[in-house]
Amino acid sequence: EIVLTQSPGTLSLSPGERATLSCRASQSVSSSYLAWYQQKPGQALRLLIYGASSRATGIPDRFSGSGSGTDFTLTISRLEPEDFAVYYCQQYGSSPYTFGQGTKLEIK
Amino acid sequence: EVQMLESGGGLVQPGGSQRLSCTVSGFTFSSYTMSWVRQAPGKGLEWVSSISGSGGSTSYADSVKGRFTISRDNSKNTLYLQMNSLRAEDTAVYHCAKKSCNNCHGYFDSWGQGTLVTVSS
Repeated sequence: EIVLTQSPGTLSLSPGERATLSCRASQSVSSSYLAWYQQKPGQALRLLIYGASSRATGIPDRFSGSGSGTDFTLTISRLEPEDFAVYYCQQYGSSPYTFGQGTKLEIK
Repeated sequence: EVQMLESGGGLVQPGGSQRLSCTVSGFTFSSYTMSWVRQAPGKGLEWVSSISGSGGSTSYADSVKGRFTISRDNSKNTLYLQMNSLRAEDTAVYHCAKKSCNNCHGYFDSWGQGTLVTVSS
């Protein structure tokens, strides 16, 4: 099973700042089958990024994904108030599909 | 617009059973693999089970294998999860999730809000 480790656990930033979230895999993620999701209280999870770097439909271009192999990054270029949430990475290249433990992005 | 609504959660005693449902609309249900993903209170996400579009192929996490059964009724656009021999550690919000494709390596492109299952005496 591929273990995904996200860092930091909590990130405190202000609106307008740049956020960099990390996701490290215990072994290489095949074909960059890596996705990022956003979770807000009381709402359904929202797909942000798939294939490590492709933005999902309707996702603003301030969200970008990068990386390959075992190291992946989600970057939010300029934080908006609605971006403060919990973010999860997930690998879907090998079974069982696994998720990182999440990074909470909070307002400083 | 894709809509997914889970139901069937509630309080159940250890060793008991519960059946969850997820009714969907906005896409051709039978063309996609569907999954259940759970989230224990204050914890992260755990994939539970998946079923192919036809229902002919299923897979389970080791933690639920032999106790949970996933199924679907394509005529009713509904996904199910039958949970037996429930344990305290099964307490979680159970989300249904649509995979981006059928019988392939796909991400989850739509999610329901989830239904809470609490296993306690």
